Amino acid sequence: AQSVSQHNHHVILSEAASLELGCNYSYGGTVNLFWYVQYPGQHLQLLLKYFSGDPLVKGIKGFEAEFIKSKFSFNLRKPSVQWSDTAEYFCAVNAFGNTGKLIFGQGTTLQVKP
Amino acid sequence: DTAVSQTPKYLVTQMGNDKSIKCEQNLGHDTMYWYKQDSKKFLKIMFSYNNKELIINETVPNRFSPKSPDKAHLNLHINSLELGDSAVYFCASSQEGSDMNTEAFFGQGTRLTVV
Repeated sequence: AQSVSQHNHHVILSEAASLELGCNYSYGGTVNLFWYVQYPGQHLQLLLKYFSGDPLVKGIKGFEAEFIKSKFSFNLRKPSVQWSDTAEYFCAVNAFGNTGKLIFGQGTTLQVKP
Repeated sequence: DTAVSQTPKYLVTQMGNDKSIKCEQNLGHDTMYWYKQDSKKFLKIMFSYNNKELIINETVPNRFSPKSPDKAHLNLHINSLELGDSAVYFCASSQEGSDMNTEAFFGQGTRLTVV
């Protein structure tokens, strides 16, 4: 069965620190990859996505992610976090043949201290 | 102009009651979903409808019954609510394509509390 694993459950950073959130998935076929963000009390918003092409994808708010197929990974990065980045971050995979069904990781809570 | 809208945003109800959550999308998508986010914030798909037809039905108690009157709406009806049904329920939509480049858009969620 497909699964997504996020390595960090709770990350605390100071403003201007660099961020890297790990995400690994298990599926041998073609996948689409996503990072969603959920700000406190709000809905899920798409940060970035990878379908094909350049494995380094840039998203909104200065976030980027790199797809490393050999490692089944799709780690999220940001060079300098802000207090407003405090949120829950979800990695998700949409495997071919699953008709849009997203498999989510368990989420990472990011707390940025001002 | 909200793309995927759910009502209500909050719902507090007693055990044993029946309740419905409504979802509408104005994106012209042909596929809609219900996801459940539990108290540990874990998100899991419950149902998926494509052009009003049920295509995904995960292991969900049959007290949960989705209804899609048209492809822009997917409502969730829950009978005999239990304490364990307390969660945030997210509606989402996407446009399925043969190239699989789908991106899901989520509603703001409905926080259901069963007391």
